[in-house]
Order: sequence, then C-alpha cells, then structure tokens
Amino acid sequence: GAVVSQHPSRVICKSGTSVKIECRSLDFQATTMFWYRQFPKQSLMLMATSNEGSKATYEQGVEKDKFLINHASLTLSTLTVTSAHPEDSSFYICSALGGNSPLHFGNGTRLTVT
Amino acid sequence: GENVEQHPSTLSVQEGDSAVIKCTYSDSASNYFPWYKQELGKRPQLIIDIRSNVGEKKDQRIAVTLNKTAKHFSLHITETQPEDSAVYFCAASISAGGGNKLTFGTGTQLKVEL
Repeated sequence: GAVVSQHPSRVICKSGTSVKIECRSLDFQATTMFWYRQFPKQSLMLMATSNEGSKATYEQGVEKDKFLINHASLTLSTLTVTSAHPEDSSFYICSALGGNSPLHFGNGTRLTVT
Repeated sequence: GENVEQHPSTLSVQEGDSAVIKCTYSDSASNYFPWYKQELGKRPQLIIDIRSNVGEKKDQRIAVTLNKTAKHFSLHITETQPEDSAVYFCAASISAGGGNKLTFGTGTQLKVEL
C-alpha cells in the first residue's frame, strides 16, 4: 500500500532554533500534502495544505512566517518550525493525497523545544 | 467551513461488547467520511470509510452508518477486543481526493476492559 515517510520521528531542540521536518510519499505522487499538529489527548489540527509547485494555504491562526512549508516536488514536502519556542512542542504529522486514493499519514514527529 | 463533532470523548466497554461512536457534520456538501484509529504516539490508521452514496458499510467487526439527511455517521465495533483500545477519529471532507482537506472530530478514547 501507499507509504508516507516522515523524518525525523523525534527531535529535541533549544528555544530559538529552527527545525525541519520532511514528509515523503514513497510509492505515489502526492499532488497535495497536509500538515497537522496534535497536542496531547487532542485531535489533529490542520495547519496548512501544500500543493506541489505553489504556495501553501495556511489555516486561520497558523503563522506562515513561523511554519515554513515547501512542496518542491510531487514526493517531498518540508515543514520548518522557525525560532521554535516551548509552546511549539507538539506532535507534527503530515499526510499525502495522490489522485483519488485515501489520505495516508506519516509516522509523525515528536518535537520538544527546551 | 466544516465542523465535525464527535461523541463520546471516552468510552469504556467490556471485552466482547459492542462500541458505538457518533459524529455529526455541518457542511451538507461533505461526501466522504473516513474513520481513523490512532494508538499512542503513532500515526492515524484508516480503518473504514464511507461515501455519501452509501448508507452502510461493513468490514468484519467494523461497520459505519451514514445518515445524510441528519448529517451524522457512526462507527460500530462488535465483539470488541483489548487490541481495539485506542483513540478513534471521525472525519469529513468534500471528496476523497482532489486536494480537499479533512476536518477531524475531537476523538474518542476507547478502552476495552478484560
């Protein structure tokens, strides 16, 4: 079945630094990728939608200058958390869509900002 | 935009009993309703989905029903087992593909007790 790879699975960084998270579709071309954030015991909250070759569409309340999204190819999207702060600590999950296939999720990235 | 409500937030059942989780949605244009199972710290896994042209779908011990008029859909798990314990999320979107985003419910923590 379709596989979405997300890397890294876990990252700890210091406050003020930037962190890049990669999301790759391994066996299909993902025309659209989504980035979610999930706080403990809460639902997945959509942060942004990225389409290959165009600017990402951010959900209300998500700072586009803080959460930089790049979708340069049909198999790769990246999320960069810039100037991370402890409140950015969360579980970040990407998902990918290709054609009419159901949504496939990455394994998620546990970000801890100290 | 779409709003998805999910109940209950927690559900505890005895092994072998049935579990029912209910969701309502607000956008009558939504026509794709997947259900995800998420174990702690892992990616959501699609367990079943239903499209609006179908009222019910079953896959072994799992079934989903959809009432488009009332704008609600439910997940039914029969003969529950301890390994069914997880968080379950319902979701709704306008279509399965084409770049349309999913709106998730708030999740139900299911605990199957021995």
